[in-house]
Amino acid sequence: SQQGEEDPQALSIQEGENATMNCSYKTSINNLQWYRQNSGRGLVHLILIRSNEREKHSGRLRVTLDTSKKSSSLLITASRAADTASYFCAATGGGADGLTFGKGTHLIIQP
Amino acid sequence: DAGITQSPRHKVTETGTPVTLRCHQTENHRYMYWYRQDPGHGLRLIHYSYGVKDTDKGEVSDGYSVSRSKTEDFLLTLESATSSQTSVYFCAIRGGQKGDTQYFGPGTRLTVL
Repeated sequence: SQQGEEDPQALSIQEGENATMNCSYKTSINNLQWYRQNSGRGLVHLILIRSNEREKHSGRLRVTLDTSKKSSSLLITASRAADTASYFCAATGGGADGLTFGKGTHLIIQP
Repeated sequence: DAGITQSPRHKVTETGTPVTLRCHQTENHRYMYWYRQDPGHGLRLIHYSYGVKDTDKGEVSDGYSVSRSKTEDFLLTLESATSSQTSVYFCAIRGGQKGDTQYFGPGTRLTVL
């Protein structure tokens, strides 16, 4: 499977600081997607990066993809208390394939 | 929310009983997916559908069946629920500008006693 694995499993930073989460996967992918999940809630799609892309931005989010290292990173700049959540990466090989998720990074933003 | 609803949102049932969860979408998406989320495992794919009556197994399909008799509804059935199937179940569709983004429903929390 193209399993994504996030690192670190938990991250606690001060409000205003940047947060970086990493994701690794095992086999070739078509795209990789990042999601946020607040405690007890559903998954919110953040950003999708395709295998032929190296970097994408969306507001305070920056995602990179290194297919040679089979890794991706999510950077959240100028963190806010509302960013406290679990963040998941999920990879797919394309076609009708579903997503293979990592176990997530739990991010806590300290006020 | 990509027009996805799930029902019921919460259910408590007993071991051995059949359970059906429903995923309903309003935007005519071709691809639909069922996942389960358990602590320490992230989300895992159970089954997926690539069209009416076209379904296939995912990573953790044992003990589950699915049906899709019309585009808008994707049903997940636990024929005989077990305690190991206590989980949160999420349905997803594929959409977005290029049709490769997965959007998730609100989830169904199932407890099997």
